[in-house]
Amino acid sequence: GAGVSQSPSNKVTEKGKDVELRCDPISGHTALYWYRQRLGQGLEFLIYFQGNSAPDKSGLPSDRFSAERTGESVSTLTIQRTQQEDSAVYLCASSPVRGAGTEAFFGQGTRLTVV
Amino acid sequence: AQTVTQSQPEMSVQEAETVTLSCTYDTSENNYYLFWYKQPPSRQMILVIRQEAYKQQNATENRFSVNFQKAAKSFSLKISDSQLGDTAMYFCAFETSGSRLTFGEGTQLTVNP
Repeated sequence: GAGVSQSPSNKVTEKGKDVELRCDPISGHTALYWYRQRLGQGLEFLIYFQGNSAPDKSGLPSDRFSAERTGESVSTLTIQRTQQEDSAVYLCASSPVRGAGTEAFFGQGTRLTVV
Repeated sequence: AQTVTQSQPEMSVQEAETVTLSCTYDTSENNYYLFWYKQPPSRQMILVIRQEAYKQQNATENRFSVNFQKAAKSFSLKISDSQLGDTAMYFCAFETSGSRLTFGEGTQLTVNP
């Protein structure tokens, strides 16, 4: 596809279950970001990947959160033992390079609801 | 660490009028990039305008322009001839070559008919 694709669009899960969110970046984009957006709030940085470099995981809120990306392809964000405070929209973005002022292209996000 | 502050949680404007959204940032870097992104109810984040810090000329994109004051670390967005479709959350963002993209808390803009 032409844009960043995220799946699922919406996910309702029970407290304590694990969830996996997927992001397909634009082909050829080396940089990939995950952000969390709680209702009515700004974007909270979670993690970013730049090519084959070690990812910056400094934004992950707890060890229940993890993310993977192989090369410049799909990324998955996994939340283990979900809690109600994990309810939010999770946004993925990709850009051709990082830190060069290039536009970051966003997916439409996954709305996660933990009940 | 870089920080971005948007002090106006909500703004409203009448259709066809002009509105200015504020953004300040804090950095010790000299070369960096600033952005305004728009997030309509669809959740899709869209780049509105971009400014390189080394350029003194303010960026302009049709009805959107910025007032970049490097010394004051201020980067405001002016929307002229506001349209109903401009209703959205607007985020200011900052990036340097050595850091990730950092966003402000956002300003919810409502354009009233």
